[in-house]
Amino acid sequence: GPKVLQIPSHQIIDMGQMVTLNCDPVSNHLYFYWYKQILGQQMEFLVNFYNGKVMEKSKLFKDQFSVERPDGSYFTLKIQPTALEDSAVYFCASSFQLVIGAEQFFGPGTRLTVL
Amino acid sequence: GEQVEQRPPHLSVREGDSAFITCTYTDPNSYYFFWYKQEPGASLQLLMKVFSSTEINEGQGFTVLLNKKDKRLSLNLTAAHPGDSAAYFCAVSGETQVVGQLTFGSGTRLQVYA
Repeated sequence: GPKVLQIPSHQIIDMGQMVTLNCDPVSNHLYFYWYKQILGQQMEFLVNFYNGKVMEKSKLFKDQFSVERPDGSYFTLKIQPTALEDSAVYFCASSFQLVIGAEQFFGPGTRLTVL
Repeated sequence: GEQVEQRPPHLSVREGDSAFITCTYTDPNSYYFFWYKQEPGASLQLLMKVFSSTEINEGQGFTVLLNKKDKRLSLNLTAAHPGDSAAYFCAVSGETQVVGQLTFGSGTRLQVYA
């Protein structure tokens, strides 16, 4: 079936550095999402993105976070600067529609460790 | 906002036995419900999407039950086999959330042993 890829699978960085997480969504999908999962907790919605713009974001989407998809390449989540509490697994998802109940296809996640 | 609680966090069953996982949610305006399976190192795979009008949903080797009165969603893996060993997540979507936002349970790690 359709696959979402995420690169890298693991990333370890020092607090205060910048990190970029990359997502390769399903090719004909138009809507893109990031979710954050702290170890042992729920996966929580961060942001959704369409046509070059953030549509909605949660309170977890701090000012240090930004997303973009330049020229149809990777959909990225950038954190600058990183903080210890940013350590988590970040899941990217994409969907063809943006309606309640639309199926989202998820990537395998990027495990981010901030030291 | 919507709160989803999933139980149990860990479950170990013998091959051939049933595995039962439950999620309770708080928002009565939720009306799409999802179960995802995640094997180690892999993506979440959709097992089933359920609309609120259907209380019993049969899949291949599993049943999803929706009790709207109690706001409870259940996944029952019948005759579990080692290939079912994975993490399972429920997710809920409805009118009071951001469109496209899924609210997830915290997951159940299922181990099926021979």
